[in-house]
Amino acid sequence: NAGVTQTPKFQVLKTGQSMTLQCAQDMNHEYMSWYRQDPGMGLRLIHYSVGAGITDQGEVPNGYNVSRSTTEDFPLRLLSAAPSQTSVYFCASTKSWDQPQHFGDGTRLSIL
Amino acid sequence: GENVEQHPSTLSVQEGDSAVIKCTYSDSASNYFPWYKQELGKRPQLIIDIRSNVGEKKDQRIAVTLNKTAKHFSLHITETQPEDSAVYFCAASNAGKSTFGDGTTLTVKP
Repeated sequence: NAGVTQTPKFQVLKTGQSMTLQCAQDMNHEYMSWYRQDPGMGLRLIHYSVGAGITDQGEVPNGYNVSRSTTEDFPLRLLSAAPSQTSVYFCASTKSWDQPQHFGDGTRLSIL
Repeated sequence: GENVEQHPSTLSVQEGDSAVIKCTYSDSASNYFPWYKQELGKRPQLIIDIRSNVGEKKDQRIAVTLNKTAKHFSLHITETQPEDSAVYFCAASNAGKSTFGDGTTLTVKP
């Protein structure tokens, strides 16, 4: 099993550009989440999903969109990149509400 | 929404000493409380977790306690070793939605 795979690992964008961060898991997990981690801070929930076709907002959803058309994939879209979105983005999945999350290696995103 | 506060933000101990990190949460509906360890530049990884129907759980040198009435839970690491140095995060979860604390940077001095 590859676990949770995030692509790309690094990305530099210009203000106003859009892009999609990819996340895929091969563990047949129902729950998937996107977090951002700013320097010296914890992980803040952007969006999450409890199954295919079901998504909901987290703490910091503005400027991001998600969709969950399959159990395996949960892409995160930046609509119009802003410097404030410079961060490390982690995708995570879990089998159930009372099971630990498995994190991907993260995407380091810089917006100039 | 849920709010998780974590203390202290930094903790320095001598090798062999114990370390304690505390978290409080606000939403009584939260029912799953994991602790993650994150080394520099790496992904967070689970070290221990506890469910709301359990008061204490231990795994070798690591233990977690939960007080549902007071809405707080704590991580205890005994006989600390230099490789325990990392950032530790607590989290409170409800129905698949997790809120994390801001982290504690633990430094174990040899």
